[in-house]
Amino acid sequence: NAGVTQTPKFRVLKTGQSMTLLCAQDMNHEYMYWYRQDPGMGLRLIHYSVGEGTTAKGEVPDGYNVSRLKKQNFLLGLESAAPSQTSVYFCASSYGFRGELFFGEGSRLTVL
Amino acid sequence: GQQLNQSPQSMFIQEGEDVSMNCTSSSIFNTWLWYKQDPGEGPVLLIALYKAGELTSNGRLTAQFGITRKDSFLNISASIPSDVGIYFCAGQRSGGSNYKLTFGKGTLLTVNP
Repeated sequence: NAGVTQTPKFRVLKTGQSMTLLCAQDMNHEYMYWYRQDPGMGLRLIHYSVGEGTTAKGEVPDGYNVSRLKKQNFLLGLESAAPSQTSVYFCASSYGFRGELFFGEGSRLTVL
Repeated sequence: GQQLNQSPQSMFIQEGEDVSMNCTSSSIFNTWLWYKQDPGEGPVLLIALYKAGELTSNGRLTAQFGITRKDSFLNISASIPSDVGIYFCAGQRSGGSNYKLTFGKGTLLTVNP
C-alpha cells in the first residue's frame, strides 16, 4: 500500500520560477488537502478538494493554484515562486470528513 | 480565524517518565484529534475523539475530549525513545466548514534515554 505519495521530495527554485507538486493517493479518498509547515507555525491549509473537479481555498491560498482532474491526484502549483514559499509541503487525503487524515511524507521546497 | 493554543511548546524528559500536553480553544469543536510527526515524516493520526467527555486510549497514549468541548488532553505513560517527535492537536467544527481542521502549533517531545 503506497497510501499518499508526493513528488518531488526536494526541490530548489529561484525566485520567479514555476513548479508543480504532485500528490497521488491509492485509497479512493474523496477529500484531498495541501498544507504547508513552517517552524513554529504548525500546519496551515493552502487549498483542498472535496471531490474530483472541485477545489477550494484554505487559510493561506495566495501564490498557489491547485487542480483535481482525477480523483486520485491533487496538484499544487506555484506560478512565480517567492522566498516566502520556502517550506515543507504536505498532501493529505481522507475518505469522508471526520478529521482522520492520511499524510504524505512531505516535499521540501527552497526558493532562493 | 480559529486558533488552538497547544502547550507546552516543547518538553525534554527522561525515558520512563509520563508526559502530559493539552490544547485549548476559544471555540467549540465537535471532534478533537491528536497526530504525531516523526522527524522527516508526515503526521500520523494517534487518537480521534468524537464526544465531549470521551476518554480514549491507544497503548500507552490516553486522550480526553474536554467536557466544555473547548479543550483536549494527551497523556503518554512510561515514555520511550521512539516517542520523540512533534505532537499536534487538531479540532474540527461541524457546519459550513466541516471539511477543514484547525491544527495547534505542536509540542516537540524529546526523550533522553
